[in-house]
Amino acid sequence: EIVLTQSPATLSFSPGERATLSCRASQSIDNQLAWYQQKPGQPPRLLIYDVSNKATGIPARFSGRGSGTDFTLTISTLEPEDFAVYYCQQRYSWPITFGGGTKVEI
Amino acid sequence: EVQLVESGGGLVQPGVSLRLSCAASGFTFSSYEMMWVRQAPGKGLEWLSYIAYSGSPTMYADSVNGRFTISRDNAENSLYLQMNSLRVEDTAVYYCARREWLAGGAFDYWGQGTLVTVSS
Repeated sequence: EIVLTQSPATLSFSPGERATLSCRASQSIDNQLAWYQQKPGQPPRLLIYDVSNKATGIPARFSGRGSGTDFTLTISTLEPEDFAVYYCQQRYSWPITFGGGTKVEI
Repeated sequence: EVQLVESGGGLVQPGVSLRLSCAASGFTFSSYEMMWVRQAPGKGLEWLSYIAYSGSPTMYADSVNGRFTISRDNAENSLYLQMNSLRVEDTAVYYCARREWLAGGAFDYWGQGTLVTVSS
């Protein structure tokens, strides 16, 4: 099983700041990584797929990069609605796995 | 508009069975692979199961393999999760999700979830 490690578990920012979240895989997953955002009481929302491709309707301030085992999600300028939990997910091999999540808090 | 609506959750005792449903609308259900994902209270996301377009093949997480069965009825636009021998640790919100290969095989639509509580 491929383990995805997101650290730290919580990051604190102010609105307007730049946030960079990390996701590290226990083995190479090529480019088969997605990022999701989840707010309290809501299902996850797809942000990024295949490392760097934005899903439909996702604002330009979200971007992803990386390769192999190390990946990042960057929010260039944090808006109030961006404070949430972010999960990475790999589809390189079964079972599909998610990282433990990073909470972006004010 | 794409919609996924889960139902069938509730409070049950350990050892019993429960069947979750996911009603799909707004898209051609038979053209999509589907998944079940769960989230224990205050915890992260856990992928549980996958089903191909026509119902086969299927895949399961080790934590539920042998106890849970995923199925679908394309004529009824519905996805199911039969959960047997439920354990306290199965307590979670259960989501169905659609897999979109135009989005790299990621899960582009999710239902709102149905809560399953296993407790004596």
